[in-house]
Amino acid sequence: QVRLVESGGGVVQPGRSLRLSCAASGFTSSSYAMHWVRQAPGKGLQWVALISSDARNKYYADSVKGRFTISRDNSKNTLYLQMNSLTIEDTAVYYCAREGHATQPHPFDIWGLGTVLTVSS
Amino acid sequence: DIQMTQSPSTLSASVGDRLTITCRASQSINNWLAWYQQKPGKPPKVLIYKASSLESGVPSRFSGSGSGTEFTLTISSLQPDDFATYYCQEYNSYWTFGQGTKVEIK
Repeated sequence: QVRLVESGGGVVQPGRSLRLSCAASGFTSSSYAMHWVRQAPGKGLQWVALISSDARNKYYADSVKGRFTISRDNSKNTLYLQMNSLTIEDTAVYYCAREGHATQPHPFDIWGLGTVLTVSS
Repeated sequence: DIQMTQSPSTLSASVGDRLTITCRASQSINNWLAWYQQKPGKPPKVLIYKASSLESGVPSRFSGSGSGTEFTLTISSLQPDDFATYYCQEYNSYWTFGQGTKVEIK
């Protein structure tokens, strides 16, 4: 069964750091680009970051550039999001998602259930 | 950066209605346009890719059309399971989402 499971969310104070993880199973995760997408309470979807299948290419939304770092360990089928200098505006459900084709542009076909980050003093 | 604008933001409809949601891109996205459905507390589910291709397993009452900068999602006959929020997304550049269209019961 193809599956993504996020973990690592919680409640943190502004300015602190947190690392999210996303465990993939049921497919060869090293063949796919992977993304993080977030959704603030009651708001829409916001793309956060991409990492290519081989981890050579990484892209970030302007709102997180310089503070967040996406990485992956293909030997562990795990995706990460290191989040530093957190602000209240980072409060959201964080989803990891698979880009649904290994060799051409495709939307996100597999999503995790999300992990909740709350930034609050 | 590409901006994606959906309309309307909210749509009230009844079972059996035909619905159309519009998504406009601020520049050409070469038809790299997807539509998602999201229900409360759940992750999004992709319905349409490449503007008009139906994702596997998605009911045929969903269809997508358009090109260049203007795209539409049509539900031919709204079913009870279709009350949800719908998002467009461009994946030509930076995977930008529209702001969403909530389909609610009239």
